[in-house]
Amino acid sequence: QITLKESGPTLVKPTQTLTLTCTFSGFSLSTDRVAVGWIRQTPGKALEWLALTCCDDDKRFNPSLKSRLNITQDTSKNVVVLTMTNMDPVDTATYYCAHFPIHGGHRFDYWGQGTLVTVSS
Amino acid sequence: QSALTQPPSASGSPGQSVTISCAGTSSDIGGYDFVSWYQQHPGKAPKLLIYEVSKRPSGVPDRFSGSKSGNTASLTVSGLQAEDEADYYCSSYAGSKYLVFGGGTKLTVL
Repeated sequence: QITLKESGPTLVKPTQTLTLTCTFSGFSLSTDRVAVGWIRQTPGKALEWLALTCCDDDKRFNPSLKSRLNITQDTSKNVVVLTMTNMDPVDTATYYCAHFPIHGGHRFDYWGQGTLVTVSS
Repeated sequence: QSALTQPPSASGSPGQSVTISCAGTSSDIGGYDFVSWYQQHPGKAPKLLIYEVSKRPSGVPDRFSGSKSGNTASLTVSGLQAEDEADYYCSSYAGSKYLVFGGGTKLTVL
């Protein structure tokens, strides 16, 4: 059974760095051909893909946010961490992590419950 | 502004069929057969409905179907049911941009 869960601060100040953790179970980044991705959803409801990390620590980033993003993995702990620098109120959103099979359609087939992050002073 | 264009709303009566469009370009939808559709109920995470244009994951009713023509993908919901009322999002592989989403369509069952 594949599960993912996001955790991190609910409130960050402008210019601060956001660090979110995705803890997952039911698969392995080191042995399965899968990736973990981050997607956010603004209060206006639009979805935006942020980043993806795979086997061999391969990473992909949304080009429009690449300079602010990093994604790391700890395969021994089944954890993926997303960091986003220089946070702004427009970054207020619900942040999701999701399971992404490498072979099969570029799709997110299992999602975490999401965590709402508000950026405000 | 989202990379893929969806109508903000759609509606239909129970038992009817509704089709939701998702317009892209030759760099995303038109260039690859990697279109996905997600359903999202209020307060819930998105759920995968369709992948690779027309494939359904296990457990998704065959009332949901997907197709593509040129740079536009479509999701059809047949035999509308009350529980189909939700937001629907399309997504596509986009080469150098990797993954893009549509702005979402709110489906109302009248």
